[in-house]
Amino acid sequence: AQKVTQAQTEISVVEKEDVTLDCVYETRDTTYYLFWYKQPPSGELVFLIRRNSFDEQNEISGRYSWNFQKSTSSFNFTITASQVVDSAVYFCALRPPNDYKLSFGAGTTVTVRA
Amino acid sequence: SQTIHQWPATLVQPVGSPLSLECTVEGTSNPNLYWYRQAAGRGLQLLFYSVGIGQISSEVPQNLSASRPQDRQFILSSKKLLLSDSGFYLCAWSEGTGADEQFFGPGTRLTVL
Repeated sequence: AQKVTQAQTEISVVEKEDVTLDCVYETRDTTYYLFWYKQPPSGELVFLIRRNSFDEQNEISGRYSWNFQKSTSSFNFTITASQVVDSAVYFCALRPPNDYKLSFGAGTTVTVRA
Repeated sequence: SQTIHQWPATLVQPVGSPLSLECTVEGTSNPNLYWYRQAAGRGLQLLFYSVGIGQISSEVPQNLSASRPQDRQFILSSKKLLLSDSGFYLCAWSEGTGADEQFFGPGTRLTVL
């Protein structure tokens, strides 16, 4: 069975602060896929990143960066120099191979104050 | 480029009334299609997915059903709504190979009174 845990329910920061969102997962599969999605107040989920389990290279995209640690089953997400537009709910998700089902974490609400 | 549409955007229905939510995808062929529900303040729950016309897999037993009458059309239905059906319904698609990320539509906010 797959399980994704986002222990942080809410995080509030002041603009320009960095914020790190934790994601811990459980799976018995040796190969799997991890994802991060952003859900702004409008409600639509926006795809941010997909990571394959066999690729442990960290990734940076602008102010976003992801730290994948297979040894600790974690896939953390950092927003550098946060902006008000980063305010949203962020979801981490896991998908096993040969399966269509995404297992989502409960989400972390990020509020960036001006 | 691909786009996904959902309608209506919001819906208020009485208990016991029928439901029909529609989702269409443009710019791709033979997509995998998904229906998710997000209850207030909670994560997403996969309800149905489809890998082709007329092929529907149900993840959670409930009073909802799904149909895929055309390649890029996915419909969520109910004959009689329950209060517990209230929530935010999201449609998503992914490439037919199944290996890729899912892209979500704008969602339908359903309130059952």
